[in-house]
Parts: sequence; structure tokens; C-alpha cells
Amino acid sequence: GENVEQHPSTLSVQEGDSAVIKCTYSDSASNYFPWYKQELGKGPQLIIDIRSNVGEKKDQRIAVTLNKTAKHFSLHITETQPEDSAVYFCAASSVKLTFGTGTRLTIIP
Amino acid sequence: DTAVSQTPKYLVTQMGNDKSIKCEQNLGHDTMYWYKQDSKKFLKIMFSYNNKELIINETVPNRFSPKSPDKAHLNLHINSLELGDSAVYFCASSPLGTFSEKLFFGSGTQLSVL
Repeated sequence: GENVEQHPSTLSVQEGDSAVIKCTYSDSASNYFPWYKQELGKGPQLIIDIRSNVGEKKDQRIAVTLNKTAKHFSLHITETQPEDSAVYFCAASSVKLTFGTGTRLTIIP
Repeated sequence: DTAVSQTPKYLVTQMGNDKSIKCEQNLGHDTMYWYKQDSKKFLKIMFSYNNKELIINETVPNRFSPKSPDKAHLNLHINSLELGDSAVYFCASSPLGTFSEKLFFGSGTQLSVL
């Protein structure tokens, strides 16, 4: 089955700086790669996703890049704000969605 | 409000008891899921139903039995609760044609087995 590894497990950045979270996947059949944000006491919320036929996607301060050959994808958050503090999960899917282990992002004011 | 809602939010119970968690979505979605999040925040799928039919059943003990009376509801019944069942359980749904994609999650049920 699919195995998704995510790094780092914790990340602290100064407000206004950029944050990058990286994931690798094992199943070459995976073709859909979403990112979820989970705030304290809430369920995960989809923030951006990318399909395997696209190399990069951007939505305001958030961007995701995908390297199919290397089987890795990354989340980039620019101009970070305190409300970006949360746990972020990557995931990969061919039939079922497999989540990474999560990154706790803390924005330091 | 349009959402995935699950009840109760907190569930504290003794080992050996039987409990249920209810989930309802009013988004008009066809597929619903149950995920388990352990103490290390790891999210793992348990079940998936598409229009009341079981699609995914991971290696979950038989003590866990999902029931979908209609496509808007997916309840989770757990028999003979064990300490290791303590976790946060999330219900989710996704639109037609997006199986395992674009999931909308509920706010979770924190189950504590004493």
C-alpha cells in the first residue's frame, strides 16, 4: 500500500517568513495530492490540492509543487501570519487517501 | 449551517462498554468516511461508504461496525471498548465523483476509554 512520509514534524518560523513542508510517497499509481490544515479542536480542512498531471499550483500565499519522478511534493506558505499556526497534513491517493504524519507549524509573532 | 456534524464531541466510557458515534452531512455528498486519529495525530481511514454501500473496510476489528441508513448518515458503533480505542474519530464526506478526494471533515469525537 501507499506510504507517505512528511518532514519536518515541527516547524517554527517568524511571522512574515516562508514555511516549507515536504512529503514523499511510495505508490507511483497515486495521482492526487491534497494538503489539509487542522486547527486545535477541529477537523482537517482542505487548503490546496494538485493532480499528477500538474507540476505546480498556487492559491494566494499557498503553493504546492509536485515532482512525479522523485515522488515528492511540497507545500509552500509565504508571508506567514499567526493564523497559519496549525498542524498540516499532506496526503496521496490512487484509490484511498493516505495521510502523512503531520507538521506542527508555529508562527512566531 | 451546511457541514459535517458528528455527536457527541466528547465520549468518556469504561472498558467493555458499547458506544455509538453519529455523523450527518447536509452537503448532498455521496461518499462518507470514518477516520481515526491517534495521540500522535496520525490519521488513518477506517471505513468508506458510497451511497450506503461499503467501499473501504480497512483492517479494523470486528468490534467496529459502521451503519449507513441513508447517504447523509454514517454512524459508528463500537462494541466491547478497549483502552486502545481511545482516539479522536472523524467523520468526513466527499462529493459525487471525487472518491477519496476533497474531503470535508467533521469536528471530531474524542473517545476516552478508562
